[in-house]
Amino acid sequence: DTGVSQNPRHKITKRGQNVTFRCDPISEHNRLYWYRQTLGQGPEFLTYFQNEAQLEKSRLLSDRFSAERPKGSFSTLEIQRTEQGDSAMYLCASSLGGGTGGNEQFFGPGTRLTVL
Amino acid sequence: AQRVTQPEKLLSVFKGAPVELKCNYSYSGSPELFWYVQYSRQRLQLLLRHISRESIKGFTADLNKGETSFHLKKPFAQEEDSAMYYCALRGSSYKLIFGSGTRLLVRP
Repeated sequence: DTGVSQNPRHKITKRGQNVTFRCDPISEHNRLYWYRQTLGQGPEFLTYFQNEAQLEKSRLLSDRFSAERPKGSFSTLEIQRTEQGDSAMYLCASSLGGGTGGNEQFFGPGTRLTVL
Repeated sequence: AQRVTQPEKLLSVFKGAPVELKCNYSYSGSPELFWYVQYSRQRLQLLLRHISRESIKGFTADLNKGETSFHLKKPFAQEEDSAMYYCALRGSSYKLIFGSGTRLLVRP
């Protein structure tokens, strides 16, 4: 296990198409987070899971966005009817729950989405 | 509102000079503060957290609740310190709230 992995690393799509990204967290980590990062900004929180339960969603997550973590392991983030404003780096992170020390979030390399 | 402010987009210093990257936050309770670093072509990684009160790669950061600041300092910058630095806050939720980042450029 070499850390959090994300696929694909790059995605170019046309406006109006649907896209899906996958995140594989560090194996024993029960918390999984999605962030979005646009040029010149820091990562912005989208949503997080504890095991398979989606516990918090940002207002940034419009109804075109849906995230799942069906078995409490990998997660998918789907964007329907993509818009040019969705172009960004989508980051996944995971952490081990329990206690203050378990709150360190380990980040994946990100998926860069370009909507033409 | 929860907010993290990093006022400098770019900080350029010469090797061996002291470095201070500024971070101010807005939060009504007792947050946990972090510094994350992203080296060129690498993923975001944790540099240090205020509860650890430790020095990592020569960097330290002290939480000043009165000034609501968590500035990152290093007495003698090295070229390998060149990177993007993000200050982040964790409140009552597990999510992180990031600042917009400061690019540190250490010139030879």
